[in-house]
Order: sequence, then C-alpha cells, then structure tokens
Amino acid sequence: QVQLVQSGAEVKKPGASVKVSCKASGYTFTSYAMHWVRQAPGQRLEWMGWINAGNGNTKYSQKFQGRVTITRDTSASTAYMELSSLRSEDTAVYYCARESPPHCSGGSCYSGAADYWGQGTLVTVSS
Amino acid sequence: EIVMTQSPATLSVSPGERATLSCRASQSVSSNLAWYQQKPGQAPRLLIYGASTRATGIPARFSGSGSGTEFTLTISSLQSEDFAVYYCQQYNNWPLAFGQGTKVEIK
Repeated sequence: QVQLVQSGAEVKKPGASVKVSCKASGYTFTSYAMHWVRQAPGQRLEWMGWINAGNGNTKYSQKFQGRVTITRDTSASTAYMELSSLRSEDTAVYYCARESPPHCSGGSCYSGAADYWGQGTLVTVSS
Repeated sequence: EIVMTQSPATLSVSPGERATLSCRASQSVSSNLAWYQQKPGQAPRLLIYGASTRATGIPARFSGSGSGTEFTLTISSLQSEDFAVYYCQQYNNWPLAFGQGTKVEIK
C-alpha cells in the first residue's frame, strides 16, 4: 500500500532553516510527482511547490520563491522540502502529497490532484 | 494567479440530508478541479478529481459537477463520518490553489 512518512516535528528560531523529509513506499517513487502543501493554524491549505521525482524538475509558488527548495533522493525514495529565513508566519503543518495519475479528455491529459498524503510535520517558529 | 472561493463558509446539515457545497474560480480552470475532505488533526483525503471523477474508494454519495469557473460537491445523504471541512483545488494553472474551505457541521 502507498505510504508517505514524514519526519518529526521541529521547533526553529526566526531566521533559521528547516528541512522536512517524506519517505515514500508502496509504489515506484520516480513514476509520480510530489507536492508540498502547508496549513497554518485555522487556515486554508497552501500549495508551496512540486517536484517531478523522475527528472528532478521543480516548480515553486512565487510566494516562497527564493526561500523554498524541494529535492529528492531516488535511491532512498525520499523527497525533501527546505524552507529558509523562517519567520513566525511559517508556523504550520507541512504535508507532502503524491500527485495522482493524469486524467485525459479530448486528447489532453492533466494531473495535479494529490491522492496520497503524508501525516504532516508541525514546524513551529518561535524565539 | 487563480483565486478559489468556496461557499458557504459553514453548512449546518442533519444526518441523512443532502449537502451542496460550491466552489468558484476567478478564471476558467476547465475541469481541472479536485475536492478534498479534511478532519481535525488529519491530512486531507482526495474525494474527486477532474471535477466529477470519484477517487478510489470514495462512496457514491459523493458527486462533483461543473466546469470552467463554477463547481459543486454534493453529498447525497450525510453520514456521521462526513462532518468535516471540504476544500476545492484547481490544478489547471501554476500555482495550484485551494479554496478557503467549507465546514460541514451537524445541525
């Protein structure tokens, strides 16, 4: 069965960096892209970025451009999300989520929904 | 950047009744829309993708419709386990974007 297991909770000081891992199992890691989504307390889900686990290509939300780096280690079937220059507003639960297979209609195929999610990693930024 | 707006913010429904949730996109997203359910302390769960296709294992009481800018999630007969927050998400354009959520609560 597909599983995404994330690293544990972190407490960081403002200005520091955090790196969250997401270990995948139960499927061929390089065949699916991975999204990173965060959720601040009581807030909506917020998309941060995406990595093609096969070729390593990435896309980031402009909001986090320059502060977020998403990487992967194919030998370990693990994706990583690093966020730098942390501030209190970055306190949130961070999720990795596997991109679902594409669906096709009218000759075009699209993907971007997330069918499996990690358990979430709470990152607290506090002085 | 596409903005997703959901309504209502909170929906009070009795068990066994129908619930209708709305999601509007600030510009067309074709049928590239997903719906998720999230319960407190849990990760989101994919319900619908492609605006109307149920994800694996999702009960038939959940249905999605719409295209372009207007979408609807219908829960035909609410069960106790369906009380949760529901989010829509567009994936037609980067950056992907979620709505602010609709909380379905027990009336």
